[in-house]
Amino acid sequence: NAGVMQNPRHLVRRRGQEARLRCSPMKGHSHVYWYRQLPEEGLKFMVYLQKENIIDESGMPKERFSAEFPKEGPSILRIQQVVRGDSAAYFCASSQGAGADTQYFGPGTRLTVL
Amino acid sequence: SQQGEEDPQALSIQEGENATMNCSYKTSINNLQWYRQNSGRGLVHLILIRSNEREKHSGRLRVTLDTSKKSSSLLITASRAADTASYFCATLNQAGTALIFGKGTTLSVSS
Repeated sequence: NAGVMQNPRHLVRRRGQEARLRCSPMKGHSHVYWYRQLPEEGLKFMVYLQKENIIDESGMPKERFSAEFPKEGPSILRIQQVVRGDSAAYFCASSQGAGADTQYFGPGTRLTVL
Repeated sequence: SQQGEEDPQALSIQEGENATMNCSYKTSINNLQWYRQNSGRGLVHLILIRSNEREKHSGRLRVTLDTSKKSSSLLITASRAADTASYFCATLNQAGTALIFGKGTTLSVSS
């Protein structure tokens, strides 16, 4: 049973470009979470999705960031018009059930904005 | 405000010694989880302790939970160089939809 998969592992973008980060949850998991980690910091929650629904996006910046988890295919975190401050590691996690279930994390995508 | 806060921020020990990390939180919880993160890697789930449990063991790991003090501790016994990593505690937010992490304890084990 493969774990949570994220790609790409490293992504370099210039200011103003778009970044698309992908996450495939563990088999049988229908709950996906995105977190961001700045250098020397803990992880900060961004958004929680179930298939085709955004459940909680309270941690998402109001502009330029969006997320989806379509019926088929991976979850996508999209950052438009990236700025240097978006440089961070973005982690996806999945769980079988909601709430108190254990979340399993992917290896992360390290975004560098030049 | 931050839900989980670990201390110390950094800990350096020799192989074979025990390492203890503490975590404090602010609101009531259903469970508390500990994760490990090796440098430049993702998080690995170590152990989950429920609010009605006081102590839990997993291999060389021992976790305690004191809900009256809103605190938890992670003990790693007979540490190894491979235990070098950052350790985070995490609790669920009020809505029960996401984990809230502290800034972590960076453990360095030298041989």
